[in-house]
Amino acid sequence: RKEVEQDPGPFNVPEGATVAFNCTYSNSASQSFFWYRQDCRKEPKLLMSVYSSGNEDGRFTAQLNRASQYISLLIRDSKLSDSATYLCVVPTGGGNKLTFGTGTQLKVEL
Amino acid sequence: GAVVSQHPSWVICKSGTSVKIECRSLDFQATTMFWYRQFPKQSLMLMATSNEGSKATYEQGVEKDKFLINHASLTLSTLTVTSAHPEDSSFYICSATGEAGGSNQPQHFGDGTRLSIL
Repeated sequence: RKEVEQDPGPFNVPEGATVAFNCTYSNSASQSFFWYRQDCRKEPKLLMSVYSSGNEDGRFTAQLNRASQYISLLIRDSKLSDSATYLCVVPTGGGNKLTFGTGTQLKVEL
Repeated sequence: GAVVSQHPSWVICKSGTSVKIECRSLDFQATTMFWYRQFPKQSLMLMATSNEGSKATYEQGVEKDKFLINHASLTLSTLTVTSAHPEDSSFYICSATGEAGGSNQPQHFGDGTRLSIL
């Protein structure tokens, strides 16, 4: 299993739709997880941190399933501005190194 | 939120040139800075971890003599790509954290530097 694995997409959804991405990780000892958003040709920006079972911030909900070693990101009421690549990020190496998934591309359409 | 500034944002230069990229933490002291590289349609790949006042730790396959990293202060790290060649063309991004060894600490990214070697 890869350290961090994501479905690359693209996910094409209409505006207002609810969409969910999954991410699996291989290191069962990982304690914290992050979702970053990366727009085309830009740097990643932190979207959410996940330290326990989940986290919610407005239209965004992240859930963690330690038994199955996956993290999900749910976006409700999608907006055109949500179009981006969503990166699942897991600390590795016992310190503060991060391993990035390849990202899931979301395209929200009219 | 924490701000990390990276400069320059875009570099185009001839093969054989050395290019220096700066990464600054503007509103916090960055004990650890990271340098990543991202090729088109690929994920960020960590190149090296830099702690203030000590030598950088390079990831496997990254040539330390080609990618020189200096982290002389708590707010500045530099990456110098020496004798750059076209295959070094990529998007280079730095990030910083304010707490050493804290795996719960998210990293804050600079704007990235797009390097094109002709």
